[in-house]
Amino acid sequence: DAGITQSPRHKVTETGTPVTLRCHQTENHRYMYWYRQDPGHGLRLIHYSYGVKDTDKGEVSDGYSVSRSKTEDFLLTLESATSSQTSVYFCAISEGTTNEQFFGPGTRLTVL
Amino acid sequence: EDKVVQSPLSLVVHEGDTVTLNCSYEVTNFRSLLWYKQEKKAPTFLFMLTSSGIEKKSGRLSSILDKKELFSILNITATQTGDSAVYLCAVAPLKAAGNKLTFGGGTRVLVKP
Repeated sequence: DAGITQSPRHKVTETGTPVTLRCHQTENHRYMYWYRQDPGHGLRLIHYSYGVKDTDKGEVSDGYSVSRSKTEDFLLTLESATSSQTSVYFCAISEGTTNEQFFGPGTRLTVL
Repeated sequence: EDKVVQSPLSLVVHEGDTVTLNCSYEVTNFRSLLWYKQEKKAPTFLFMLTSSGIEKKSGRLSSILDKKELFSILNITATQTGDSAVYLCAVAPLKAAGNKLTFGGGTRVLVKP
């Protein structure tokens, strides 16, 4: 298995609070991604990174920000959590020579 | 905008049956199509199909790509309860910024004993 960890694995928070999810990789892959997965929607890309300090928006980026200060870490921040952000969040990594992405174990976030 | 549609949304079969999953896509300058299996955890990679590799097989699973008609099929023969999962299809265009994928909504397969 690709060396990807996510923390926390589960979190319950209240509306309006900031939340930060962490993705850590040991593969030294260039590309990192944050997805959310909701019933009936498959995986939707929130943000991605193509290098240290290089990030860009995905299709559902509103209400989220990211940072990548080191190759191995990619942080996703919900600036002010809302109930619509209750979801399962997956981090993925890709070397870039092919399109294959490897996924982390996921974080289940509940916003009350 | 790239688009992936999977069908059916879900299906229930019995062990030993054959399952056929469909994935149709629209993408600008196709590069590859990928299939993933997702049990109660992270998606795991199954196959990648490209212009130079339109048919793949691994054990009881096989997949074909029809670039003319813009679809792919994933077949599972002699199904087992361990095949129960959500199967995801994704496409990648050439020179996609960030090496991004566009995923379909998935097909949920339940294999009953």
